[in-house]
Amino acid sequence: TQLLEQSPQFLSIQEGENLTVYCNSSSVFSSLQWYRQEPGEGPVLLVTVVTGGEVKKLKRLTFQFGDARKDSSLHITAAQPGDTGLYLCAGRYTGTASKLTFGTGTRLQVTL
Amino acid sequence: DAGVIQSPRHEVTEMGQEVTLRCKPISGHNSLFWYRQTMMRGLELLIYFNNNVPIDDSGMPEDRFSAKMPNASFSTLKIQPSEPRDSAVYFCASSNIQTDGGEQFFGPGTRLTVL
Repeated sequence: TQLLEQSPQFLSIQEGENLTVYCNSSSVFSSLQWYRQEPGEGPVLLVTVVTGGEVKKLKRLTFQFGDARKDSSLHITAAQPGDTGLYLCAGRYTGTASKLTFGTGTRLQVTL
Repeated sequence: DAGVIQSPRHEVTEMGQEVTLRCKPISGHNSLFWYRQTMMRGLELLIYFNNNVPIDDSGMPEDRFSAKMPNASFSTLKIQPSEPRDSAVYFCASSNIQTDGGEQFFGPGTRLTVL
């Protein structure tokens, strides 16, 4: 069974702080995605990373894929209340085509 | 364009009753996924279809759960008989790996409560 562990599970910070969320697996990903989910809605894709060592930026969010393609991180700079939500990493393993395995999730709350 | 459509949005039923959840994927998508989300277990894949054919149902908890996709625009997830531990939010998602790079588009979910 392939497991995707995320840390931390919960994070409560004040507006303006920086934070990093981690996603780790014992197996190699062919690609990895990050989703954000808001209450009462389904997850929405933020980014896809494919190449080991790849870094992608989406405004204040920076996503990094580990060199060995077994881990990833999401860094948020100067968090805002609008960043509040559940962040999920999702990995696609070699040979699984359409199937995604979702991580355990990080619930972020940003307060004023 | 309409996104993934799920119905009902909320379902409250009593233990032992049959529950049917419905999903209409995005037109043109060839993969459809059913997930279950709980606080304890997170987002779990139950089953997925490619071109209306079930590919992997290893996440279906037990024989009480069944899923069908009679055509490219409709899928159902049925629980019979339902039990309180089935209470969760059930999501349907669709994708077209050839055109969207594997992005899955999720519906709003069905919140199921089994009393």
